[in-house]
Amino acid sequence: GDSVTQMEGPVTLSEEAFLTINCTYTATGYPSLFWYVQYPGEGLQLLLKATKADDKGSNKGFEATYRKETTSFHLEKGSVQVSDSAVYFCALSDQDYGQNFVFGPGTRLSVLP
Amino acid sequence: DVKVTQSSRYLVKRTGEKVFLECVQDMDHENMFWYRQDPGLGLRLIYFSYDVKMKEKGDIPEGYSVSREKKERFSLILESASTNQTSMYLCASSIPFHRDHGYTFGSGTRLTVV
Repeated sequence: GDSVTQMEGPVTLSEEAFLTINCTYTATGYPSLFWYVQYPGEGLQLLLKATKADDKGSNKGFEATYRKETTSFHLEKGSVQVSDSAVYFCALSDQDYGQNFVFGPGTRLSVLP
Repeated sequence: DVKVTQSSRYLVKRTGEKVFLECVQDMDHENMFWYRQDPGLGLRLIYFSYDVKMKEKGDIPEGYSVSREKKERFSLILESASTNQTSMYLCASSIPFHRDHGYTFGSGTRLTVV
C-alpha cells in the first residue's frame, strides 16, 4: 500500500538557520503531495502542495519540489523563525474517492532565538 | 473563510461516560473524517464518511462509533469512555474526486478521560 516516510525528529535549529525536512513516499498511482503544519494546540493547516512531477509548492517562505524520480518531496526554508516551531506532516493523496490521504508520522521543529 | 468547527477545544470526562465529539463544516464537502493523534503514533484514522448516513471504519474503530445525519455534521461517539481514549481528536473534510484540494482540518478537541 501507499506510505510516507519522514525524517525522525525532533529537529532543533537556531533562528535564521536553513531548514530541510526529508519526505519520501511509496505509491501505486500518481499521487498529489502535501505538507501540513500543526502549531501547538491547533489542528493541521495546509502549508503547500504539488500535484505533478517537477511542480514546486511554496508558501510563507517554505518550498518543496515533487521529484518523481526519487519519490521525494522535501520541505525547505532558507531562514527559519521562532514562529515556525511546529510539527510538520508530509502527506500524499492517491485516490479520488473515500479515504484518500496517507500521512507521514510528523517531524517536530523547534527554533531557538 | 471555509471552516471545520469542532465544538470543544478541551473536554474532561469520567471513565464509563458516553462522550459526543461534534464536527461541523460549512464547505458542502461530502467526505468527513475523524482522526486521533497521540505522541509517537502520528495520525490514526478512526472513521470516515463519504455521504450522509454512510460510514466506513478506519484503522482503529474499536470503542468508537459515528453518526452522520446531515451532510455538514459528523459526530464521533465514545460509547463508554476509557482512559486509553485520552487523546487529541481531529476532524477533517474533503471533496471527493478532487484529491488535489487536500483536507481541511478543525482545530482539534483534546479529550482527557479520568
